[in-house]
Amino acid sequence: EAGVAQSPRYKIIEKRQSVAFWCNPISGHATLYWYQQILGQGPKLLIQFQNNGVVDDSQLPKDRFSAERLKGVDSTLKIQPAKLEDSAVYLCASSLREVNEKLFFGSGTQLSVL
Amino acid sequence: RKEVEQDPGPFNVPEGATVAFNCTYSNSASQSFFWYRQDCRKEPKLLMSVYSSGNEDGRFTAQLNRASQYISLLIRDSKLSDSATYLCVVNERTTDSWGKFQFGAGTQVVVTP
Repeated sequence: EAGVAQSPRYKIIEKRQSVAFWCNPISGHATLYWYQQILGQGPKLLIQFQNNGVVDDSQLPKDRFSAERLKGVDSTLKIQPAKLEDSAVYLCASSLREVNEKLFFGSGTQLSVL
Repeated sequence: RKEVEQDPGPFNVPEGATVAFNCTYSNSASQSFFWYRQDCRKEPKLLMSVYSSGNEDGRFTAQLNRASQYISLLIRDSKLSDSATYLCVVNERTTDSWGKFQFGAGTQVVVTP
């Protein structure tokens, strides 16, 4: 079974530039999550999709971050403009259903903002 | 106060020894609990779910104490390969019933020869 695919693996940008990350969840997984993990901290949920609808985006900095999941399959997360504090690993995860299901993570995108 | 709190460690454990650590959660409505393992510069991977009656998976034992709102993980006969950060994850029921995973910051375990 193919896992959660993410790209790119690494990205280095300057502050105020824009960046986009892509995620393809495990086939058939209805729920998709984007997490931000800063070094030394646990993952923090940015946005959760159920199929192509947003379930929770309460912690997404909407002035600079946006995400979409067209057709309920793959998803993109965008940051525009980036700030130094956005330097982190961005993890995509998926689960089969929305409650009590284990999460499968992609390998993440390590973002460095200079 | 953080929703999920863990001792960051590191717990330095001689190979073959036993190590145990806890995680506390603040939301009494939390409904499911997990331990994830995260190796350096890798993604988290599910280690085990935690059930009300406690459960074992090989050398790993997880316990849940709902009254005191904590879960624990015990590793017996530690191996060098057990060196990792262990993330406590709690799924909270939300008003729309979707549920929300809350992660602790992780407990670092270092197994030494």
